[in-house]
Amino acid sequence: DVKVTQSSRYLVKRTGEKVFLECVQDMDHENMFWYRQDPGLGLRLIYFSYDVKMKEKGDIPEGYSVSREKKERFSLILESASTNQTSMYLCASSSGTALGGYTFGSGTRLTVV
Amino acid sequence: AQSVTQPDIHITVSEGASLELRCNYSYGATPYLFWYVQSPGQGLQLLLKYFSGDTLVQGIKGFEAEFKRSQSSFNLRKPSVHWSDAAEYFCAVGTGGSGNTGKLIFGQGTTLQVKP
Repeated sequence: DVKVTQSSRYLVKRTGEKVFLECVQDMDHENMFWYRQDPGLGLRLIYFSYDVKMKEKGDIPEGYSVSREKKERFSLILESASTNQTSMYLCASSSGTALGGYTFGSGTRLTVV
Repeated sequence: AQSVTQPDIHITVSEGASLELRCNYSYGATPYLFWYVQSPGQGLQLLLKYFSGDTLVQGIKGFEAEFKRSQSSFNLRKPSVHWSDAAEYFCAVGTGGSGNTGKLIFGQGTTLQVKP
């Protein structure tokens, strides 16, 4: 089975800190995604990557950046964390066509204080 | 552009009752359709998927879904709900494109509450 591993389940950071959320997948998937999930707003795509070093903005990229230096790892970076970035962050991966759907990680609950 | 609508934000059913969660999609060609379930505090788990062929697809945990092209729908059903089915359910559509088009579009989700 494909595994998508997010490095932290819970994270508490201070306003203004630079925050790194890490995601690793073990099935050689081309695509990787970062979503944030807030009550009543569903899943909102932040960034996705369809190849190493390739990235595209999603629906809400402001305040975030990403890095994909290796195929298996996709990092989400909060350049200067703010309280409105308190949320659940979900990483996912898929084949290039996503015909098999996405495989999601367990999520990181980030609280910015 | 493709889109997905889940008309019901919140549904409550009694344990043992049947369940149907609605999903409508908008896409010009044959879509690839998915249902996911998310338990509280967890990631999303794939329940079932439809690509082509038999329009009634079986999934895990006793769920099934029926693709109806004429209604642009892909509703999820379960004959008898268990308390452990309480969760959030997401419908998604994909195009089968690759590169920067290899994405799924998700609905807003339906929260299922199960009464004892």
